[in-house]
Order: sequence, then C-alpha cells, then structure tokens
Amino acid sequence: DVKVTQSSRYLVKRTGEKVFLECVQDMDHENMFWYRQDPGLGLRLIYFSYDVKMKEKGDIPEGYSVSREKKERFSLILESASTNQTSMYLCASSFRGSGANVLTFGAGSRLTVL
Amino acid sequence: DAKTTQPNSMESNEEEPVHLPCNHSTISGTDYIHWYRQLPSQGPEYVIHGLTSNVNNRMASLAIAEDRKSSTLILHRATLRDAAVYYCILRRAGTASKLTFGTGTRLQVTL
Repeated sequence: DVKVTQSSRYLVKRTGEKVFLECVQDMDHENMFWYRQDPGLGLRLIYFSYDVKMKEKGDIPEGYSVSREKKERFSLILESASTNQTSMYLCASSFRGSGANVLTFGAGSRLTVL
Repeated sequence: DAKTTQPNSMESNEEEPVHLPCNHSTISGTDYIHWYRQLPSQGPEYVIHGLTSNVNNRMASLAIAEDRKSSTLILHRATLRDAAVYYCILRRAGTASKLTFGTGTRLQVTL
C-alpha cells in the first residue's frame, strides 16, 4: 500500500561525494516536494515541482538541485555533499490545483555526511 | 505565503480530549487549513483539512474560527499512539503552491 517510496532509508556518504535521493509516487500526482528535517527547525522546503521538467526553489535550495524527467519520479541531488547536509530528507506529493489536495509523504531518507 | 503559529509542546492524559491550537492571522480566502502529524521515525501523515466549516473524520475534528484566523485540532480521546508532532499548514490553490511547515506542536500523552 506504499504510495510514496524513497529509495534509501539510510545513507552514509563522504564529504564531496555526489548524492542522489530518489522519490517515486504511484498516485499520478502532479506536485512533488523535497523537505529536510532537522531537530528544532521543523520541515524546511528545499525544492518542489508542479509538472514534469518544472521546478521551483523552496526556502533552502542552496547546495541542492532536483530533476523531474518523469511524472512519478523526483530526484534530489547534492552535487558535493557537506557535513551540514546531514539530515532527514522527506519527499511528498499531491495533486495540484485545489488547496484541498492533501500531501502524501514518504518514510524519509536519513543522510549522514562524514 | 501565510504563516501559522503553534505552541511548541502540549501534554495530555490518556483517554482525555486534546485541543491543539493554531493561529493563522494572515490567512487568505482561498487558503485551506491542513493538519498533519508525524509519529516517531516516520514521515508526516495527513490528519484533516477544512476551509470554513468545522470538519470531522475518523481521526479527529477540526474547529475553524468564524474569522478563520485560528483553528483547533481536536483529538476526542487521546491514546499513547497519538503522541506525535502535529503540524498546521495553509494550502493555497494554484499550480505552484509552495507549502511551508513550521516546527509544529509536540504532543505528549501520559497514562
């Protein structure tokens, strides 16, 4: 019954490595979001996409990029990982248009950068 | 985008009702009020949402002030499984609808 799948639950990477976090949804949602979550800071929006090949910056896009080549897949890319990107990353999706459309979240990917 | 304000934490006894408040004084007419909760080690999950009228579902009730500048999530009988962080957010209609979460309210439920 899993609807939003994040490819890795736990990752450990080294400083300077390129990191890909993958998110796939099977609900035909137009909107997809990437958040990071840190203690005391809540969920902060990194990027979102409202259609294939479309992307918008969220509140903290620095150090990240995204890719949306297919409707069901939204990738978060850390071009050169740094220790301050150690965090929990959450992907979400929703239908677009109405403000009544709810978000469905994945289980999260906990990234540690050494 | 309009912001929401919630208390950092609340406590409740099991089997008692819980009222979780949220202030959104800059809400616009097309903003829906959504509530999500995040259990430990999980992603957030949808709880309830509404526009103007009070709403009920199997998980909770949502009471919306007449001026819509505040709302309250009501858990009718809290259980230990309701211990979570509860987020109140505003969702605006439109294609590029940025959704901002705050830090939410951490609910502790005790026996």
